[in-house]
Amino acid sequence: RKEVEQDPGPFNVPEGATVAFNCTYSNSASQSFFWYRQDCRKEPKLLMSVYSSGNEDGRFTAQLNRASQYISLLIRDSKLSDSATYLCVVKGNNDMRFGAGTRLTVKP
Amino acid sequence: NAGVTQTPKFRILKIGQSMTLQCTQDMNHNYMYWYRQDPGMGLKLIYYSVGAGITDKGEVPNGYNVSRSTTEDFPLRLELAAPSQTSVYFCASSYRKDRGSYEQYFGPGTRLTVT
Repeated sequence: RKEVEQDPGPFNVPEGATVAFNCTYSNSASQSFFWYRQDCRKEPKLLMSVYSSGNEDGRFTAQLNRASQYISLLIRDSKLSDSATYLCVVKGNNDMRFGAGTRLTVKP
Repeated sequence: NAGVTQTPKFRILKIGQSMTLQCTQDMNHNYMYWYRQDPGMGLKLIYYSVGAGITDKGEVPNGYNVSRSTTEDFPLRLELAAPSQTSVYFCASSYRKDRGSYEQYFGPGTRLTVT
């Protein structure tokens, strides 16, 4: 079993749609959780950290369920500029483990 | 601040050649990481360092070596290049933010082809 698993995608949605990504992790001792965004042929960039209480940043909402070892990202009112690959990232003691990513394409 | 810089941006190696990928950060971050990303895949951790003089293996360390003599620099060495090492290599650094989170800052990557 992979340490971090994500929806394989790709997701193709129209502008304005709401889209949700899921991620599960296998290490129950994981300490911190993140969503990163990666544009084609570019480096990953932090989108948001994920806290146990859930957190929101504009159109983006992240949720964490430690009991189920599950993380989610919700994007509301999708924009063309949201097209990218979204990476789920889980931190153990010192290292970071990345999911394979879910590709999102937002179409006009 | 320049952030995390990597050199070279591109490189083609012949099988059996050696090279060093350079990584420098000017943010005084303690943590630094090397990842590789194969096409259509997520990033896999090669090595990481929690501070100068300290390095540890990640998921895929075989065929690579690192050193961390200063806070700023974290070079990655390939001793005997193999086609399986064809990949995009990303260096990253991080620090501890509030609520215990660690935001990673990535360099632009080095695209390496071994033929």
